[in-house]
Amino acid sequence: RKEVEQDPGPFNVPEGATVAFNCTYSNSASQSFFWYRQDCRKEPKLLMSVYSSGNEDGRFTAQLNRASQYISLLIRDSKLSDSATYLCAVEGVGDSWGKLQFGAGTQVVVTP
Amino acid sequence: ETGVTQTPRHLVMGMTNKKSLKCEQHLGHNAMYWYKQSAKKPLELMFVYNFKEQTENNSVPSRFSPECPNSSHLFLHLHTLQPEDSALYLCASSVKGLAGQQFFGPGTRLTVL
Repeated sequence: RKEVEQDPGPFNVPEGATVAFNCTYSNSASQSFFWYRQDCRKEPKLLMSVYSSGNEDGRFTAQLNRASQYISLLIRDSKLSDSATYLCAVEGVGDSWGKLQFGAGTQVVVTP
Repeated sequence: ETGVTQTPRHLVMGMTNKKSLKCEQHLGHNAMYWYKQSAKKPLELMFVYNFKEQTENNSVPSRFSPECPNSSHLFLHLHTLQPEDSALYLCASSVKGLAGQQFFGPGTRLTVL
C-alpha cells in the first residue's frame, strides 16, 4: 500500500458547484497533514494545514478522519481559477519527522 | 514571487555532461529540500538540509550530489545522468520544525538525452 494515496481524477466540476475528494494515509501515527495546490507547469503552494478539528478557509474546508485514516478537501462555489492539481502531504513521524510524504495529486477541472 | 528562485528553469543535457542546479531562498528559512517530480507520480524527496547539514539522503543515486554552502543557497550537481532522470526538480525551503509549510521554487525542467 502506498503511504499517501489520492484519486488522480480528473474531477470535472461545473462552475459554482461543490467538489470534494479524499487522501488516504497508511501510518496511523501521522499527526500533521497539509493540502497543496499545483497549477499546470507551476510549483506547489501550500493551501491549508489540516487540524484535528478540521479547518476552513473561505470556500475551502479540510477535514481529518483518523479512524479511517484519510483527509478530505471540499471546495464550495467552485471558480474557474480553482482548476489545479491538489496535492495531499503527510508529515512523517519518528525518524521521518520533518519530512513530507506527498500523494500524486487529484486534478480538478472547473468548467464554465 | 521571488521567495525561492531556481536556475536554470530549463536544462537539456547529455548523459556525459556535468551541470548544476541552483536554488536560493530569500525567506530567512533554515531548512531546504530537493524534490524530483515525474509525470503522474508523487513528489519524491531527495535531500533535506537543516542549518546547512544534510539530514536526509533518500537513497538517491550518487550521480546526484547536493551542496548547501549556507542557509540561503542549495545546489544539485548532476553528472552522468540517465534518461529516466528527466523530470522537474523542485527546491523548497521552510523553517526547521515547520516542514509542512514549505515554499517551493519554480523548478528546473531537466531533460537528459
